Amino acid sequence: QVQVVQSGAAVKKPGASVKVSCKTSGYIFPGYYIHWVRQAPGQGPEWMGWINPKSGDTSYAQKFQGRVSMTRDTSISTADLELSRLRSDDTAVYYCAISDYAFDAYEIWGQGTMVRVSS
Amino acid sequence: DNVLTQSPGTLSLSPGETATLSCRASQSVTSNYLAWYQQKPGQAPRLLIYAASGRATGIPDRFGGSGSETDFTLTISGLEPEDFAVYYCQQYGSSPATFGGGTKVEIK
Repeated sequence: QVQVVQSGAAVKKPGASVKVSCKTSGYIFPGYYIHWVRQAPGQGPEWMGWINPKSGDTSYAQKFQGRVSMTRDTSISTADLELSRLRSDDTAVYYCAISDYAFDAYEIWGQGTMVRVSS
Repeated sequence: DNVLTQSPGTLSLSPGETATLSCRASQSVTSNYLAWYQQKPGQAPRLLIYAASGRATGIPDRFGGSGSETDFTLTISGLEPEDFAVYYCQQYGSSPATFGGGTKVEIK
């Protein structure tokens, strides 16, 4: 049974960085892509990028280039998202989601991590 | 980016009725890689439909997807109480993947 558990909520000040973790189990971690999607309050989801856990290759949305880093640790089946230079409009729920391919729908999602950016 | 526009913004229906949700893309969706998700408050989105018309694992057959290129539809035949939620379309055929703004299906 596939399980995806994300790290807990965070409150950060503008300009700081945040790291969100996505721990998986119940499947072959290197075999599936992990996407990161965020959702601001009252808004639709927004794709941030993906990481291929097998190769470490990443693809980031242009909007986040230079501020985002996606990494993985295959030994503990965990993927991390780090977002730097936080602004108030980065306040959102951040989700990791798993797919078979880079261009694929997301059948399995983490529970979400609330990140609030406030001075 | 391929912008997805969903309509209507809100749909007020009674249980047992049929809901018809629209998703229009600003560019043709590559390979009709269009998905539909359901989201309830405090929960992650749940995949309903992939590749425009494929039903995801465990999804009841009252949920149906159709359409191609730039115009797609999600039909929910015979609304059940648990179907009242927000629905999002997503195109994943080109990068960046994009989502629509959502349609809320509420109880009339």
